[in-house]
Amino acid sequence: DAGVIQSPRHEVTEMGQEVTLRCKPISGHDYLFWYRQTMMRGLELLIYFNNNVPIDDSGMPEDRFSAKMPNASFSTLKIQPSEPRDSAVYFCASSWSSGNTGELFFGEGSRLTVL
Amino acid sequence: QKEVEQNSGPLSVPEGAIASLNCTYSDRGSQSFFWYRQYSGKSPELIMSIYSNGDKEDGRFTAQLNKASQYVSLLIRDSQPSDSATYLCAVNSSGNTGKLIFGQGTTLQVKP
Repeated sequence: DAGVIQSPRHEVTEMGQEVTLRCKPISGHDYLFWYRQTMMRGLELLIYFNNNVPIDDSGMPEDRFSAKMPNASFSTLKIQPSEPRDSAVYFCASSWSSGNTGELFFGEGSRLTVL
Repeated sequence: QKEVEQNSGPLSVPEGAIASLNCTYSDRGSQSFFWYRQYSGKSPELIMSIYSNGDKEDGRFTAQLNKASQYVSLLIRDSQPSDSATYLCAVNSSGNTGKLIFGQGTTLQVKP
């Protein structure tokens, strides 16, 4: 079975540009999570969805960040406008509610560099 | 106080030794605890979960939980160079069980 699929794997952009990161969760999983990882702050939860509905977005750093999940098989994380401090690896993860939601399956990540 | 705390390391052990990784958490109501392993440049992968006080063994790995002390640990017996990675402790938020909080991770180096 395919795992969590993220795109792009690498993104280099200039400050002020819009960035869109994409995620396809594992089929049948009804939880989807967006995390950001940096050396300084570690792995931070940005937002998570249950059955396509955003449940907790308290980790979204500011209004420049937005996330959507239009259907069970697709989610986006958008940064507009991007800033150098947004440079990080962004992970998408999914899990299913019949298991424990702590058992996350991570995608390979999207490495974002904002110049 | 951070919600989940780990010593960042690096923790260096010789091949064949026992590696002991520790984690403390602040949410006394948390019920679910996890250890993830992350190789350099890769994504985290779940290696152990534990939900009740005591020990849970899986092969060379043993997770230990003490809720009274708000303490979780991971023991790796007969450490191998392939165990060299960053180990992330993760805890479910008691008020929001879908929310998984990660520690900063401990880097383990197993020297041949």
